[in-house]
Amino acid sequence: DIQLTQSPSTLSASVGDRVTITCRASQSIHNWLAWYQHKPGKAPKLLIYKASTLENGVPSRFGGSGSGTEFTLTIRSLQPDDFAIYSCQQYNVRPWTFGQGTKVEIK
Amino acid sequence: QVQLQESGPGLVKSSETLSLICTFSGDLSGSFYWNWIRKPAGKGLEWIGRIYGSGSTDFNPSLESRVTMSVDTSKNQFTLRLTSVTAADTATYYCARDLWRGNSFGSFDSWGQGTLVTVSS
Repeated sequence: DIQLTQSPSTLSASVGDRVTITCRASQSIHNWLAWYQHKPGKAPKLLIYKASTLENGVPSRFGGSGSGTEFTLTIRSLQPDDFAIYSCQQYNVRPWTFGQGTKVEIK
Repeated sequence: QVQLQESGPGLVKSSETLSLICTFSGDLSGSFYWNWIRKPAGKGLEWIGRIYGSGSTDFNPSLESRVTMSVDTSKNQFTLRLTSVTAADTATYYCARDLWRGNSFGSFDSWGQGTLVTVSS
């Protein structure tokens, strides 16, 4: 299975900060990577697919980049609603696999 | 987008079978797979498997020997059955849709809120 390693595991930030989360794959996944936001008791939300394509309705402060084995999710100006857990997911080779998650918490 | 809702017992005894139903509604245009994904407490998400409207399935090899899925389009439902459960199967279980985007399946555009299933001894 393809392993995805996210860093950091936890990130403390303030409203207005620029935040970057990294996802590294154990082998090349080209650009078949998605990013999700999840909050307790709520349905996870797709933010980015194909590494850099913004899902419909997702604010433009979210951005994705990367290809091959290294990817980043950037939140340009953190908003109160953005404090959550973020996970990456590869869909290059089944079984689809996820990173362990990055918790973005209030500083 | 579609709306999805998981339902089923929140407590299952060890060695028995976990059964969950996902009921969907909304925009059903396009090609898509229905998926089950789970998240054990303190761990990352794990893809369990998927089913197409025709009934064809793909499963995670780590669970394949214990998993079955079915779909009933007349009821707008699909189901998960996981046999011989142990404490390691305790998790929040999500159903999700994987919509064809013109070049790939594999990302999940709609999810249910999840249902916690605890396996008791």
